[in-house]
Amino acid sequence: ETGVTQTPRHLVMGMTNKKSLKCEQHLGHNAMYWYKQSAKKPLELMFVYNFKEQTENNSVPSRFSPECPNSSHLFLHLHTLQPEDSALYLCASSQRSGVYNEQFFGPGTRLTVL
Amino acid sequence: GDSVTQMEGPVTLSEEAFLTINCTYTATGYPSLFWYVQYPGEGLQLLLKATKADDKGSNKGFEATYRKETTSFHLEKGSVQVSDSAVYFCALSEGSGGYNKLIFGAGTRLAVHP
Repeated sequence: ETGVTQTPRHLVMGMTNKKSLKCEQHLGHNAMYWYKQSAKKPLELMFVYNFKEQTENNSVPSRFSPECPNSSHLFLHLHTLQPEDSALYLCASSQRSGVYNEQFFGPGTRLTVL
Repeated sequence: GDSVTQMEGPVTLSEEAFLTINCTYTATGYPSLFWYVQYPGEGLQLLLKATKADDKGSNKGFEATYRKETTSFHLEKGSVQVSDSAVYFCALSEGSGGYNKLIFGAGTRLAVHP
């Protein structure tokens, strides 16, 4: 595997379910990100992890719970979601240092909440 | 806070037409600027970037010049192809704490017809 991978690619869940999204990067990066992409809205940064430490939580509801066990893996645990949480969830990674380094994105998980 | 404004789409062009997608930004510092592209069913890919005023980023026939005086970073291509059909995102980078936080525009959908 190369780059940034995300599983599952598609997920349908009820409002009472608990599920998790997984992201893995094979690039040796130190920073990982979760974004939410909704129809007709700009990409929204949700969480940032830098060397496994959460450095940003962009006022995300507690029904989204991130976990970063190491620099290569990032999870987003979901519980009691709402239909408006349906979106494409994108994971990205970057090197730690410098403002010029690009973020590499995974293909996303398309989430539908019924 | 910092922000990015892109022209609304969709932009519909015939093959070999000239493309311009406008992007302007508001920033308190001196951000790096990026164009990302999202093909159907995929995550975002970096298309080009510029890190300081008057820099020109270029890739795959696309170009954009960092214009500090007009706070703009317009994307251009001289002759588009059907394979360029995608959503294009302009973004700026705020660097802090060893990682770069990206602020995205809303995206502009490009459709190129044969």
